[in-house]
Amino acid sequence: SYVVTQPPSLSVAPGKTARIPCGGSDIASKSVHWYQQKPGQAPVLVLYDDTDRPSGIPERFSGSTSGDTATLVIGRVEAGDEADYYCQVWDSSMDHLYVFGSGTTVTVL
Amino acid sequence: VQMVESGGGLTQPGGSLRLSCEGSGFIFSRYSMSWVRQAPGKGLEWLSYISGSGETIFYADSVKGRFTISRDNVKNSLSLEMNSLRDDDTALYYCARCDPAATYAHDYWGQGALVTVSS
Repeated sequence: SYVVTQPPSLSVAPGKTARIPCGGSDIASKSVHWYQQKPGQAPVLVLYDDTDRPSGIPERFSGSTSGDTATLVIGRVEAGDEADYYCQVWDSSMDHLYVFGSGTTVTVL
Repeated sequence: VQMVESGGGLTQPGGSLRLSCEGSGFIFSRYSMSWVRQAPGKGLEWLSYISGSGETIFYADSVKGRFTISRDNVKNSLSLEMNSLRDDDTALYYCARCDPAATYAHDYWGQGALVTVSS
């Protein structure tokens, strides 16, 4: 089965840039979505199809993919960005259709 | 757009529960839907997908053969029939809409239904 890996945690100072990696075999050939989840809340879609932002998501959130790594980039980090971030791989050719990464907790120092 | 889950509760190992999710604010039949769960303190786990027509269904290995997804487009309702429940099925269960314009990303989520499996 397809495995997606994320670092458990990441710390970043306010105003700096956070880069959250998501690893998977040839992930650049698949569609990667990113979700933000704050404590006690349902997940929120922040990026879809590697790089696209849903309406209402700040331009500070961007994404990229290359080879075996997709990356969520949060520019000019704010205290309100502190949350868990999950990548999700979608591939219609996969038996399992969707696979989530294990999530990365972003702490704003 | 809103999804509201119901049907969660406490059951013993080996028991059954049926979750429902009612969608509103969008044309329900035009969207695929998924169930996703989150065990206490753990990450997200995708469980099952059903197309808008109900003709295409996928399951994660962890629930295949035990859980059944279905939908009623007249009632704008999604269901998850859960059988042979185990302790590790304890989780918050979310229904989520899959947006074909966003490569089937889950663009809207319900608030979740809590399922507790314990003797």
